[in-house]
Amino acid sequence: GIQVEQSPPDLILQEGANSTLRCNFSDSVNNLQWFHQNPWGQLINLFYIPSGTKQNGRLSATTVATERYSLLYISSSQTTDSGVYFCAVEETSGSRLTFGEGTQLTVNP
Amino acid sequence: NAGVMQNPRHLVRRRGQEARLRCSPMKGHSHVYWYRQLPEEGLKFMVYLQKENIIDESGMPKERFSAEFPKEGPSILRIQQVVRGDSAAYFCASSPLVGLNEKLFFGSGTQLSVL
Repeated sequence: GIQVEQSPPDLILQEGANSTLRCNFSDSVNNLQWFHQNPWGQLINLFYIPSGTKQNGRLSATTVATERYSLLYISSSQTTDSGVYFCAVEETSGSRLTFGEGTQLTVNP
Repeated sequence: NAGVMQNPRHLVRRRGQEARLRCSPMKGHSHVYWYRQLPEEGLKFMVYLQKENIIDESGMPKERFSAEFPKEGPSILRIQQVVRGDSAAYFCASSPLVGLNEKLFFGSGTQLSVL
């Protein structure tokens, strides 16, 4: 099956800093989504982004499908951004999302 | 328009008991996915169901685990004779159609603890 690798595994920031999270995947995909799991365990869908660039407030994401990677940008980070960020992909032959192991983000005040 | 609803939120079982986890999809959605998240790990696919059909159960353990999505009512994930290793968060998500050509929304999960 498809492999999804996220980096870095852990990231600690001061409030106000910017960050870039990366997701590499091993095969062609139909679908790529970014999720935020908050400290209470809830999974929040941030982006559906199989290709191209999208922005939502302080967050933006870019997927370069031909090179098999996606990036999530967080600008002016806030303590409420803390949690785990997951990238998930659906391979072209599949019908389900495969998740990476996540990036644990901690934003300190 | 309610989102994906899971219950119970927390479930405690003793070894050997049965656990039943329920998932009500979003209104109009006829496809349900179940995922399991072990502590400090990512989400692992378990099963994908359409009403009255199991589409893909390649992620389900071969024994003790079963899932259904009847014509009426919620989807049920059933774990028989639970063991401590079954302790995890179980999430479900729903979709209106085959394929995932839009955002997938998850429920709040059921945290299963096996004593």
